[in-house]
Amino acid sequence: AQSVTQLGSHVSVSEGALVLLRCNYSSSVPPYLFWYVQYPNQGLQLLLKYTTGATLVKGINGFEAEFKKSETSFHLTKPSAHMSDAAEYFCAVSAPSGGSYIPTFGRGTSLIVHP
Amino acid sequence: SAVISQKPSRDICQRGTSLTIQCQVDSQVTMMFWYRQQPGQSLTLIATANQGSEATYESGFVIDKFPISRPNLTFSTLTVSNMSPEDSSIYLCSVEDLRGELGYTFGSGTRLTVV
Repeated sequence: AQSVTQLGSHVSVSEGALVLLRCNYSSSVPPYLFWYVQYPNQGLQLLLKYTTGATLVKGINGFEAEFKKSETSFHLTKPSAHMSDAAEYFCAVSAPSGGSYIPTFGRGTSLIVHP
Repeated sequence: SAVISQKPSRDICQRGTSLTIQCQVDSQVTMMFWYRQQPGQSLTLIATANQGSEATYESGFVIDKFPISRPNLTFSTLTVSNMSPEDSSIYLCSVEDLRGELGYTFGSGTRLTVV
């Protein structure tokens, strides 16, 4: 079984400030971890992923996340927020089950960026 | 990654009626997934659709309410039957990229409002 917890349903930052969105997971086997972004009235877009190898992964739009096994975390960061980053962000975990890797999603964190 | 065309993008429907949502993928995929995203909530998997076999439904979802077709490896439909206001949600289809290791690609979603 696997699960994802995203701390904070809303995160508010000023433009230019650091963005930190928290994600903790549980999985009985080594997981794949993902962050997705959903802009208003759109589907989900993959931001970045961790499968194996380097634990610090870089994604699109300047975002990055670090897989910390000891903390079962995969927090998403961006050094400087931009107005266009305002969106809903979903952390997801997947692990092999019956030959597939169907992900489990967190409840999402709404990022609000103030000018 | 695959490209998914989902339609309609939105609809307003009368209670008691049915709506069929279509997803077309630009490449052949073994499994397609249907999700529901209720307002302010995360994604909930409705069912997994394999070509040539009946869809596999998650707990809380039944075929009579959400019949799914999967006539070939690039196309699937989800029907929301006998709709009530509680069915108002965003419905998304998804496919996995390379056994999920590359993440999942999502359609742009169908925003359904039942009045």
